[in-house]
Amino acid sequence: GAGVSQSPSNKVTEKGKDVELRCDPISGHTALYWYRQSLGQGLEFLIYFQGNSAPDKSGLPSDRFSAERTGGSVSTLTIQRTQQEDSAVYLCASSPKFHGSSAGELFFGEGSRLTVL
Amino acid sequence: AQTVTQSQPEMSVQEAETVTLSCTYDTSESDYYLFWYKQPPSRQMILVIRQEAYKQQNATENRFSVNFQKAAKSFSLKISDSQLGDAAMYFCAYRSASSDKIIFGKGTRLHILP
Repeated sequence: GAGVSQSPSNKVTEKGKDVELRCDPISGHTALYWYRQSLGQGLEFLIYFQGNSAPDKSGLPSDRFSAERTGGSVSTLTIQRTQQEDSAVYLCASSPKFHGSSAGELFFGEGSRLTVL
Repeated sequence: AQTVTQSQPEMSVQEAETVTLSCTYDTSESDYYLFWYKQPPSRQMILVIRQEAYKQQNATENRFSVNFQKAAKSFSLKISDSQLGDAAMYFCAYRSASSDKIIFGKGTRLHILP
């Protein structure tokens, strides 16, 4: 596709249920990032994948959160046993390999809004 | 650990006027990249401008320019001739040259007054 695609765009779930959020990055982009955006909290880094390297999971807030990236392309963010504080917009971004004039530019999806009741 | 601070949660500017958004960051590294991203109400974030720390010249993109003060660890965004379409959340971001991790500030919501 032309841009980063995220699904679902909106998800309402009950506390305690598991949810999966999907991100389809721009073809050929080696880096993929997940961020969480809560009201008034800016963008909180969760995890990023770069090619075949081990992901940087340093931002995952608890062991209920996990993410995987299959075949260097599509990524799934999984939240187990959801809590009300998990309610937020989850943004995915991808980027070409960092060098030269493209260094650091992230291309964002429109996000998945998660509401935990 | 690196941090990015945006001290202005909200700002307003009259259409056609100039506004400056502030950003400071904390790092012990000498080589890094700084960015300003814009998030309109539609939610999709886009890159506004980028600055490499090793470049002394301030980056400029049309009506958008930065004031990069490396010693002060300051990276402000100036928007000239503000337009209604500039209304958005603006995020300052940092990436070290040695890592692919990009961290963001909490954002500044910019209102454009007609």
